Amino acid sequence: QQQVKQSPQSLIVQKGGISIINCAYENTAFDYFPWYQQFPGKGPALLIAIRPDVSEKKEGRFTISFNKSAKQFSLHIMDSQPGDSATYFCAARSTGFQKLVFGTGTRLLVSP
Amino acid sequence: DGGITQSPKYLFRKEGQNVTLSCEQNLNHDAMYWYRQDPGQGLRLIYYSQIVNDFQKGDIAEGYSVSREKKESFPLTVTSAQKNPTAFYLCASSPGGGPGYEQYFGPGTRLTVT
Repeated sequence: QQQVKQSPQSLIVQKGGISIINCAYENTAFDYFPWYQQFPGKGPALLIAIRPDVSEKKEGRFTISFNKSAKQFSLHIMDSQPGDSATYFCAARSTGFQKLVFGTGTRLLVSP
Repeated sequence: DGGITQSPKYLFRKEGQNVTLSCEQNLNHDAMYWYRQDPGQGLRLIYYSQIVNDFQKGDIAEGYSVSREKKESFPLTVTSAQKNPTAFYLCASSPGGGPGYEQYFGPGTRLTVT
């Protein structure tokens, strides 16, 4: 119930392509879904976040798509760049519950 | 500069020794968290604290202890009871503990126990 399932585990995309990472959850009490970006040896940094009252949120080249009925959300990176090469984590938090539940991460490599 | 500092960046210890990891924040955040990161397992919550002098166990608290005597500090002790302590440890903080409050992470401490 508290799990967030993330796929794929790793992803290779050519420069300029679209990177897509998917997450799925079971707990309908989740109401906040952030994505974090982590470079090797560094702490994760918040990239973008969405609430289930909207179906899409876009910030620059990064877009979250949210499907409440399917209990799925995804991160799209448009025009992927080598500098986007990092590990990406989706997460979820439920109302009144202080803990974030993280997916297992996706290692993205954008080839030049 | 405002932010979260963790020290040291790398830490080496012998098996059977307790070790304390430091986490300090000057963001005036109420809530603080400790996570453990292992390859392929994402981030797992060890302990969290919403206010000074109060903290709760996370999903993997066994073998760890914390204290929250000051708002800006949340040290984590990895005890000899922790069976597999080698990992990357991340501290985080947020303005509050509820939804809508973003968690900000420190740079992490890589602990190696041999």
